[in-house]
Amino acid sequence: EAGVAQSPRYKIIEKRQSVAFWCNPISGHATLYWYQQILGQGPKLLIQFQNNGVVDDSQLPKDRFSAERLKGVDSTLKIQPAKLEDSAVYLCASRSGTSGSYNEQFFGPGTRLTVL
Amino acid sequence: QKEVEQDPGPLSVPEGAIVSLNCTYSNSAFQYFMWYRQYSRKGPELLMYTYSSGNKEDGRFTAQVDKSSKYISLFIRDSQPSDSATYLCAMSVGYGGATNKLIFGTGTLLAVQP
Repeated sequence: EAGVAQSPRYKIIEKRQSVAFWCNPISGHATLYWYQQILGQGPKLLIQFQNNGVVDDSQLPKDRFSAERLKGVDSTLKIQPAKLEDSAVYLCASRSGTSGSYNEQFFGPGTRLTVL
Repeated sequence: QKEVEQDPGPLSVPEGAIVSLNCTYSNSAFQYFMWYRQYSRKGPELLMYTYSSGNKEDGRFTAQVDKSSKYISLFIRDSQPSDSATYLCAMSVGYGGATNKLIFGTGTLLAVQP
């Protein structure tokens, strides 16, 4: 079974520029998550999708971050404009079930963003 | 106060040692408790999960949850250099919809010296 794919793996941009990250979840997984992991901290949930609907985006800085999941499969996360404090690893995760039993979240390798 | 507190380490032990990793939490609604392992420049991978209180063992790993003390532990027996990684505790209230949201600790960096 192929894992969660993310691209690019690394990105360096200047502050105030825009950037987009792409995630392809494990086939058939209905739930998709974007996390932000700042160096030395644990991952923090930014947004959760169930199929192509948003379940939780309470911690997404909506003035600069946006995310979409078209057709309930791939997802993109965009930052516009980027700030220095956005430097972090952006992790995508997916999960098969929507409810009814515990299902593991599978994480991708992440995209390491550096904002200069 | 953070919902989940974890000593960031680093923790350095000799090969073969027993390792104890711990987290405390403040939200009594948490029911699912996970331990993830994260190697450098990789995504977290689930090691173990426990529902509610009690112990769970899987090979060299044992997870313990004490809900009365709001305290969870991960023990690694006969530690190996390949165990060197960051260990993240994570918790959720439920498993469905938004309740599946994971709250992570900061992670403990473990180095097992050969």
